[in-house]
Amino acid sequence: RKEVEQDPGPFNVPEGATVAFNCTYSNSASQSFFWYRQDCRKEPKLLMSVYSSGNEDGRFTAQLNRASQYISLLIRDSKLSDSATYLCVVNIKRGGATNKLIFGTGTLLAVQP
Amino acid sequence: NAGVTQTPKFQVLKTGQSMTLQCAQDMNHEYMSWYRQDPGMGLRLIHYSVGAGITDQGEVPNGYNVSRSTTEDFPLRLLSAAPSQTSVYFCASSYRYSNQPQHFGDGTRLSIL
Repeated sequence: RKEVEQDPGPFNVPEGATVAFNCTYSNSASQSFFWYRQDCRKEPKLLMSVYSSGNEDGRFTAQLNRASQYISLLIRDSKLSDSATYLCVVNIKRGGATNKLIFGTGTLLAVQP
Repeated sequence: NAGVTQTPKFQVLKTGQSMTLQCAQDMNHEYMSWYRQDPGMGLRLIHYSVGAGITDQGEVPNGYNVSRSTTEDFPLRLLSAAPSQTSVYFCASSYRYSNQPQHFGDGTRLSIL
């Protein structure tokens, strides 16, 4: 089983739609969680961190479910500019003080006009 | 704001050649890392450094060397290039720890013939 799993998509949605992505992780000791956005042939950029209580940034809402070991990203009122690959990222502590960031393979979102 | 700067942006090598990918950051970040991104694989950690003079291996270190003589620079060396090392390479940094949001360079696209 992969340490971080995402549905690769693509998710094709019309403008204005609400879309949600889930990401599951296997290590219950995971400490930090992030969503990154990656445009085609560009570098990943931090979209938002994910906090235990859930957090919102404009049209974007991130939630964490530690019991079921998944995080989610909800995008409301989708814009054409939201089209990108969304990467789920989990920080895992391995042996002593070593922390490693594990990236999911990403979910492709295509917002259609 | 330069952020994380990678050079070159593109490179074609022949099998067996060696080269160094450069990475520099001007944010006084202690933590720096190198990833490779391949289709369907997500980003995989090659090597990382928690500060000047300290480096460690990531998930896929074979065939690569790193050094960290200064806080700003973290070069990645390919010792003897192989076609399996054809990939997009990203350098990233964060203030102190891997569990903080990572700032990525815009990548080096490397092809090994």
